Amino acid sequence: EAGVAQSPRYKIIEKRQSVAFWCNPISGHATLYWYQQILGQGPKLLIQFQNNGVVDDSQLPKDRFSAERLKGVDSTLKIQPAKLEDSAVYLCASSLAGTGAAYGYTFGSGTRLTVV
Amino acid sequence: AQSVTQPDIHITVSEGASLELRCNYSYGATPYLFWYVQSPGQGLQLLLKYFSGDTLVQGIKGFEAEFKRSQSSFNLRKPSVHWSDAAEYFCAVGVNAGNMLTFGGGTRLMVKP
Repeated sequence: EAGVAQSPRYKIIEKRQSVAFWCNPISGHATLYWYQQILGQGPKLLIQFQNNGVVDDSQLPKDRFSAERLKGVDSTLKIQPAKLEDSAVYLCASSLAGTGAAYGYTFGSGTRLTVV
Repeated sequence: AQSVTQPDIHITVSEGASLELRCNYSYGATPYLFWYVQSPGQGLQLLLKYFSGDTLVQGIKGFEAEFKRSQSSFNLRKPSVHWSDAAEYFCAVGVNAGNMLTFGGGTRLMVKP
């Protein structure tokens, strides 16, 4: 089966600019996650979707970050405006509905964002 | 809330030597436990997982992990390390089947020839 697709792989922007990341999960995976991984740290959950509804966005900095999954398949994560501390790898993962913690996720390769 | 601690930030072992990476979790009941590996520039790959049953679980690439309830630990082991095992390893915990995973800070493994 095809894996989780993410684009772009790399992005460099100046602070205060906006940026968007795209994720296409594995076919049939109803649950989609966005994680932020700062260099030298473990991944931290930003938002969890079940189909096109938000399950958990408690750690999403909503003043600058937004995410959507309009048709319950692809998802977009946006940062506007970006800050230096947003430099990180943004990982998308997916799982079958209700099984994320039972079987683990499948991760994409991530988008490495550098804010200068 | 659950948490995961990986006490060792960096570990260096010689090729062919045995390996043990430590993971401690904090949660009132038995959580779902995972080990992931991340090679440079790559996403995370699942090595193995545990929820119930035999406390010694086997994973891919010759790795195994042992769940010890009394110590709230889930340490990862490999009897003989290969140079290709050099990567970052993350322990993760989930508290119910549909929930998100919480990750530890990771352990970077370096392998000496």
